[in-house]
Amino acid sequence: AQKVTQAQTEISVVEKEDVTLDCVYETRDTTYYLFWYKQPPSGELVFLIRRNSFDEQNEISGRYSWNFQKSTSSFNFTITASQVVDSAVYFCALSEVTYFFNTDKLIFGTGTRLQVFP
Amino acid sequence: DAGVTQSPTHLIKTRGQQVTLRCSPKSGHDTVSWYQQALGQGPQFIFQYYEEEERQRGNFPDRFSGHQFPNYSSELNVNALLLGDSALYLCASSYGTGGSYEQYFGPGTRLTVT
Repeated sequence: AQKVTQAQTEISVVEKEDVTLDCVYETRDTTYYLFWYKQPPSGELVFLIRRNSFDEQNEISGRYSWNFQKSTSSFNFTITASQVVDSAVYFCALSEVTYFFNTDKLIFGTGTRLQVFP
Repeated sequence: DAGVTQSPTHLIKTRGQQVTLRCSPKSGHDTVSWYQQALGQGPQFIFQYYEEEERQRGNFPDRFSGHQFPNYSSELNVNALLLGDSALYLCASSYGTGGSYEQYFGPGTRLTVT
């Protein structure tokens, strides 16, 4: 069965520190998609990145970077030089692609709460 | 360009009552998914609608039902409310299905059952 594990419940850092959020997934599919979402206190999930299972290239977007390693089933997220505005709950998610039904159900981890202090 | 909108923002209901939540997808999107997020947990998939049909359903009882209208908007109905139904209900929209499209989420409806 598909599963996403975010072992870090809460992380606290001081501004300008780098921080890595871990994500480990389980799936029997050969084709799947991985996502990261940010959930600020307002509650709305903000899409950060989507990565398909065939693309293991790391990606950098400003202060954000993602490390995808199929060998360890991990899709970790690093924030460089963290800022107070980065404080939020971050969710890693796996897309279960059910071709028969042609749907894309998202399976979320339990989230990591990041607190960045000034 | 309006994003995903949901109404109402907050709702308080009593056990046994019925509730209807509404969602309008992002412009250009035709697929709507509903998720339930209990406090301190990740969102759990309820079901997805595409072409006015329920395409897939998560592990939720039949008390949870939905509908998609020709304009792609959607409703989530919950009957015989239980205390455990208290949660943030999130609607997500995307264009098409199959995992290759990112889902955009609305701000959610906070449902409290007393």
